[in-house]
Amino acid sequence: QKEVEQNSGPLSVPEGAIASLNCTYSDRGSQSFFWYRQYSGKSPELIMSIYSNGDKEDGRFTAQLNKASQYVSLLIRDSQPSDSATYLCAVSSNDYKLSFGAGTTVTVRA
Amino acid sequence: DAGVTQSPTHLIKTRGQQVTLRCSPISGHKSVSWYQQVLGQGPQFIFQYYEKEERGRGNFPDRFSARQFPNYSSELNVNALLLGDSALYLCASSQGGFTTEAFFGQGTRLTVV
Repeated sequence: QKEVEQNSGPLSVPEGAIASLNCTYSDRGSQSFFWYRQYSGKSPELIMSIYSNGDKEDGRFTAQLNKASQYVSLLIRDSQPSDSATYLCAVSSNDYKLSFGAGTTVTVRA
Repeated sequence: DAGVTQSPTHLIKTRGQQVTLRCSPISGHKSVSWYQQVLGQGPQFIFQYYEKEERGRGNFPDRFSARQFPNYSSELNVNALLLGDSALYLCASSQGGFTTEAFFGQGTRLTVV
């Protein structure tokens, strides 16, 4: 079983729609959860962090965490063409290592 | 504020050679971690250094080594390069550990021929 799994893509959404990305993790002791955005040929960029159950909103992005279900999600509202990228879910269960999913590629079509 | 800087940005090496990659963390950050990302996959953890001490090591062979200097910059060394070492090597900077946020440099694209 992989440590972090993301829903397989690619995900294609029309401009202005909501993109929904899902992530599950295997280590119940995980404490910190992050979403990174990675444009093609570039390095990952941190867009959201979440540490406690519930929702966290930042602009058009909302992260949701459910530790009981070992589930993290990211919603992108009012999707724009500039949101077209690969989104990586990352989980930390200790002080030194981030475990990443394989990523979900999102394409926002105009 | 300068972000995480890595050098070089691109590198081509021959099988069997050795390579050194460099990273300078964000000012004030004491932790540097190294990741390898191959096409189509998420980054894989290689090492973390905090206050010049190795705190964690991923599932990579002994050909991979790293160190952190007193100014918190870091080097990743890979010996006896294999074709499979071709990847994007990423350095991440954080204030301490991974309960805090980590920020990546632009990466070094290594191609082994």
